[in-house]
Amino acid sequence: SQQGEEDPQALSIQEGENATMNCSYKTSINNLQWYRQNSGRGLVHLILIRSNEREKHSGRLRVTLDTSKKSSSLLITASRAADTASYFCATVLRSSGNTGKLIFGQGTTLQVKP
Amino acid sequence: DAGITQSPRYKITETGRQVTLMCHQTWSHSYMFWYRQDLGHGLRLIYYSAAADITDKGEVPDGYVVSRSKTENFPLTLESATRSQTSVYFCASSGQGGAEAFFGQGTRLTVV
Repeated sequence: SQQGEEDPQALSIQEGENATMNCSYKTSINNLQWYRQNSGRGLVHLILIRSNEREKHSGRLRVTLDTSKKSSSLLITASRAADTASYFCATVLRSSGNTGKLIFGQGTTLQVKP
Repeated sequence: DAGITQSPRYKITETGRQVTLMCHQTWSHSYMFWYRQDLGHGLRLIYYSAAADITDKGEVPDGYVVSRSKTENFPLTLESATRSQTSVYFCASSGQGGAEAFFGQGTRLTVV
């Protein structure tokens, strides 16, 4: 079974609203990363949060990490139609050492309506 | 051009045939990965490599073979293609273990 699970699977909001996506994982991690995928394209890295960090910001993105609950959330503020995409969390397991093994969740599909 | 490129972008092959998907990166990244993406499963790791001549199995390695004789190339071979291997395949690379990964545009493979 996959390491990361995301919730919700799909989200539809109006432009200007905030979007929150959640990711839960099963085993201890070194870091957790969020990626975006536009339809028909490859994935693009958004933000990385290390296991000893609790919150990180990048522009309109805010990521939180709660290692005690093994969960993370991605908040996109003031959403735009261009934010329409699928969003994936990915974890680097502590058990993977220096292999760099990156395991993805199933993703959340976000639709932002103009 | 700098970056990570996959070829071909689209491929149709018949059941039982051998097919190789190519991945080339120009950054000299140590780490490279192959994923498959299917509806309902997200991205699943097939194989990964921490350096030239070092490869290891991911979550779904059965039916696939990889090699990494040069740092910049990481081909993925389906030894005898099956319909269940119809998918979109993504190659990725990373400069450091656990750092951000850079993805290719993907190869859409259809096995008929």
